[in-house]
Amino acid sequence: GENVEQHPSTLSVQEGDSAVIKCTYSDSASNYFPWYKQELGKRPQLIIDIRSNVGEKKDQRIAVTLNKTAKHFSLHITETQPEDSAVYFCAASPSNYQLIWGAGTKLIIKP
Amino acid sequence: KAGVTQTPRYLIKTRGQQVTLSCSPISGHRSVSWYQQTPGQGLQFLFEYFSETQRNKGNFPGRFSGRQFSNSRSEMNVSTLELGDSALYLCASSFDPSTEAFFGQGTRLTVV
Repeated sequence: GENVEQHPSTLSVQEGDSAVIKCTYSDSASNYFPWYKQELGKRPQLIIDIRSNVGEKKDQRIAVTLNKTAKHFSLHITETQPEDSAVYFCAASPSNYQLIWGAGTKLIIKP
Repeated sequence: KAGVTQTPRYLIKTRGQQVTLSCSPISGHRSVSWYQQTPGQGLQFLFEYFSETQRNKGNFPGRFSGRQFSNSRSEMNVSTLELGDSALYLCASSFDPSTEAFFGQGTRLTVV
């Protein structure tokens, strides 16, 4: 079955710098790749997603890239701000029945 | 529109007891997924329901079960509770799992 690996588990960056979180997946049939942000004590919320027919998608300071050949996708956050501190989860959907989740990355923004 | 509602928000149960958690999805969403989240852990998939049918189940013992009603509301049940079942249980609704999932606030279960 599908397996999603997410790295790093913790990422600490200086405020204003960029942050990159990478996920790899195993099932080439996966066609939907969302990223969720979970702030402390809150529920996960979708921040950006990408489908397999697109290589890159941007939304202001956030971008996601997808490399289908290498089976990996990455979240890029530019000009990081304190409110970006959270746990970020990637996921992949090998079918319409399930999302397979990465283990999460704790992003710490240092002032 | 109203978001995903989970009840109750908090529960304290004793080992060996059973518990039922409820999830009311966003109107129009037929897919409901359940997850277990423990401190420092990711989202462990429990099961997914679509139009009253369980389409997929995660790697959890048979003590964990669920169902979905005709109005898409879903319940999950955990029997013979163990200390290790203490966790935040989240449900998420969507049109289907390959579209945006909206999470409820979760039910925090503590087993003593």
